[in-house]
Amino acid sequence: EAGVVQSPRYKIIEKKQPVAFWCNPISGHNTLYWYLQNLGQGPELLIRYENEEAVDDSQLPKDRFSAERLKGVDSTLKIQPAELGDSAVYLCASSSFGGETQYFGPGTRLLVL
Amino acid sequence: GENVEQHPSTLSVQEGDSAVIKCTYSDSASNYFPWYKQELGKRPQLIIDIRSNVGEKKDQRIAVTLNKTAKHFSLHITETQPEDSAVYFCAASKGIQGAQKLVFGQGTRLTINP
Repeated sequence: EAGVVQSPRYKIIEKKQPVAFWCNPISGHNTLYWYLQNLGQGPELLIRYENEEAVDDSQLPKDRFSAERLKGVDSTLKIQPAELGDSAVYLCASSSFGGETQYFGPGTRLLVL
Repeated sequence: GENVEQHPSTLSVQEGDSAVIKCTYSDSASNYFPWYKQELGKRPQLIIDIRSNVGEKKDQRIAVTLNKTAKHFSLHITETQPEDSAVYFCAASKGIQGAQKLVFGQGTRLTINP
């Protein structure tokens, strides 16, 4: 079984530029999560999807961050415009319906210059 | 909301010795407690988890204990090996069915000295 796939793995951009990250969850997993992981810290939830519905986006900075999961499968997280403080690893995870275990992707390491 | 505290932040043990990492949580309604291992530059990987209706769970050299009254849970690794070196995260979540918001601890960097 393929795991959670994320791309790109690394991204370097200048501040004020837009950036997008893509995630493809494990096949059949209805729930998809985006986490932010700062250096030396644990992951922090940004948004959780149940199929195509965002059911928890309370920690998503909506002035510059947006996300979508149009067909209830893969998802895109966007930052526009990026700020220096956005440099971090963006992790995607998925779980099956009714399942507690979250499986993580390898993450996208973002560096904003 | 839930708050998870993890200690120690770094831990160094001799190969073959045991390692213990402790976490406390604030929300008494939390009922699911996973532990993740993250090697440098890699994805977090679930190594063991425990639910609130169980006090202890063991999987080979790894065990987790849960004290609901005190709201703390611990990871125990016995007979440590060099490949156990990594950052370990505890987490807590609550809910009735599945999909949960995991709240993570700050992580413990474990180093196994040969």
